[in-house]
Amino acid sequence: SAVISQKPSRDICQRGTSLTIQCQVDSQVTMMFWYRQQPGQSLTLIATANQGSEATYESGFVIDKFPISRPNLTFSTLTVSNMSPEDSSIYLCSAAGTVNEKLFFGSGTQLSVL
Amino acid sequence: KQEVTQIPAALSVPEGENLVLNCSFTDSAIYNLQWFRQDPGKGLTSLLLIQSSQREQTSGRLNASLDKSSGRSTLYIAASQPGDSATYLCAVSRNRDDKIIFGKGTRLHILP
Repeated sequence: SAVISQKPSRDICQRGTSLTIQCQVDSQVTMMFWYRQQPGQSLTLIATANQGSEATYESGFVIDKFPISRPNLTFSTLTVSNMSPEDSSIYLCSAAGTVNEKLFFGSGTQLSVL
Repeated sequence: KQEVTQIPAALSVPEGENLVLNCSFTDSAIYNLQWFRQDPGKGLTSLLLIQSSQREQTSGRLNASLDKSSGRSTLYIAASQPGDSATYLCAVSRNRDDKIIFGKGTRLHILP
């Protein structure tokens, strides 16, 4: 298993600003993923964070809006840029030792944009 | 396009009862299926993972079954306790390198 520390746990931000969310895993993992969970909705995959290369984004998500870093096998960041109220959501990072084996999740970041 | 549906969206049962949560998926060609638990304001905790070649997995009071041909999975919780109150999500993947598709979850409330 893996323990994932995610921070901040929540934040209230002003429109037009940016927020960077950090995830630290207690062991080396191959794959890290960033999800968004909007109220009453299921989890939606934003991107897969690849160590040593650019993140792979899902349809509807772009690097300029959600830049991701993955400097090593235990750490990743997601930035929500130029925020608007529509970005208010829970953001979750997850990790798996190999793709699509058991997923482990951080505790999530509750983001509110005013 | 794979779609995952969970019914009911919410469920309240008295403590001590056995209960079943349902998950259905439209594409039966899956690699594995996972059940997760999410507590309010928290991340997800993996409960059970069933590979496509398996029919069920058990962990304590939890039992998950998988019927690929009918596109269904159930999560059985025995002797429910108030601590079981949470949202339960199921998720499927098509293959080893494909993304995981989540259902919207079932919000379970166990009444003391």
